[in-house]
Amino acid sequence: GESVGLHLPTLSVQEGDNSIINCAYSNSASDYFIWYKQESGKGPQFIIDIRSNMDKRQGQRVTVLLNKTVKHLSLQIAATQPGDSAVYFCAENPYRNKLIFGAGTRLAVHP
Amino acid sequence: DADVTQTPRNRITKTGKRIMLECSQTKGHDRMYWYRQDPGLGLRLIYYSFDVKDINKGEISDGYSVSRQAQAKFSLSLESAIPNQTALYFCATEGHPPGELFFGEGSRLTVL
Repeated sequence: GESVGLHLPTLSVQEGDNSIINCAYSNSASDYFIWYKQESGKGPQFIIDIRSNMDKRQGQRVTVLLNKTVKHLSLQIAATQPGDSAVYFCAENPYRNKLIFGAGTRLAVHP
Repeated sequence: DADVTQTPRNRITKTGKRIMLECSQTKGHDRMYWYRQDPGLGLRLIYYSFDVKDINKGEISDGYSVSRQAQAKFSLSLESAIPNQTALYFCATEGHPPGELFFGEGSRLTVL
């Protein structure tokens, strides 16, 4: 989930398990949402996006779920692999073309 | 070669010094952004530019300035660096239709 402190929340999973990373967004006017993955020492990379007229979108091993009623976004990663270890950010777009990023969640995958 | 290149990748400087971080892109995108990343705070928008003649302040523009020298180049300046500007800085581009941002590898700045 989101963090307001200096330390990122961490989700620890076993290799092969499914991971669910949650995000609460703040603006009910947001109509576009993106998940980014940031590996150590690198810039964030796009994973998957979803528009507000959808509640679910699937990619390769990833699924994003959107619940507009409670302003909640989640990223599900199937069969988590060591290469999935990273910090994951959700981002919302309440003002045209100006994304607002969450604080991030660290995913740690253990063998 | 990276599509979005930032220089320098690491810089240590002293309080009061002027610093410029440069960003160049080969994606042909009109829209470019500068973000700052601090632990636990995610990415915060400093400045953005939708084309060469369009520059806009983001949520934390105080103490920073930018220059869009060409479609491919967007530089961020700290006129008089202070320690609380120590952070990881990212440049990003955005194409059409708008949505996905393409980030550089980041520039780590330390102000002593």
